[in-house]
Amino acid sequence: EAGVTQFPSHSVIEKGQTVTLRCDPISGHDNLYWYRRVMGKEIKFLLHFVKESKQDESGMPNNRFLAERTGGTYSTLKVQPAELEDSGVYFCASSPEWGLSTEAFFGQGTRLTVV
Amino acid sequence: QKEVEQDPGPLSVPEGAIVSLNCTYSNSAFQYFMWYRQYSRKGPELLMYTYSSGNKEDGRFTAQVDKSSKYISLFIRDSQPSDSATYLCAMTDFGNEKLTFGTGTRLTIIP
Repeated sequence: EAGVTQFPSHSVIEKGQTVTLRCDPISGHDNLYWYRRVMGKEIKFLLHFVKESKQDESGMPNNRFLAERTGGTYSTLKVQPAELEDSGVYFCASSPEWGLSTEAFFGQGTRLTVV
Repeated sequence: QKEVEQDPGPLSVPEGAIVSLNCTYSNSAFQYFMWYRQYSRKGPELLMYTYSSGNKEDGRFTAQVDKSSKYISLFIRDSQPSDSATYLCAMTDFGNEKLTFGTGTRLTIIP
């Protein structure tokens, strides 16, 4: 069974440009989470989808970040326009049932570098 | 003050040694405690998951939770070079889908 897959693995963009990160969760997993780790800091929660609905987006840093989950399958996280402080590793995770973020499976992450 | 404090290390120990990794936390609502292992350029992988206080053992790994002290530990016995990785503690409270992570401890096992 395929795990959580993220694309691209690495992206380098200039300040002011737009970048879209994609996450394919494990098939059948209703819960999808986005997390971010900026350099030297801990991994921090961004948001949580249940199927196609945003359940909690309290961790989204500002309105330059937009997350979508089309048809409750894959998810995208768009940063527009990107700023230098957006650099970091963006992780996606998925889990099969409500209340089981404790058993979420993580993808390998997308390393975003804004120059 | 961070909700979860974890010594970033790095920590280097000889093969076969017992490793002790620790986190402290400030939020008394946390009920679920996890340890993740992360290899370089990979995502976090769940190692151990404990609910409330107590111990849990899985092979060479033992997780301990002391809620009265707000302190959790992960012990690795008979450490192997393949255990070299960053170890992250994470925790959450009941009904909350947000994991709160420590910064991670980088561990190297020297053959």
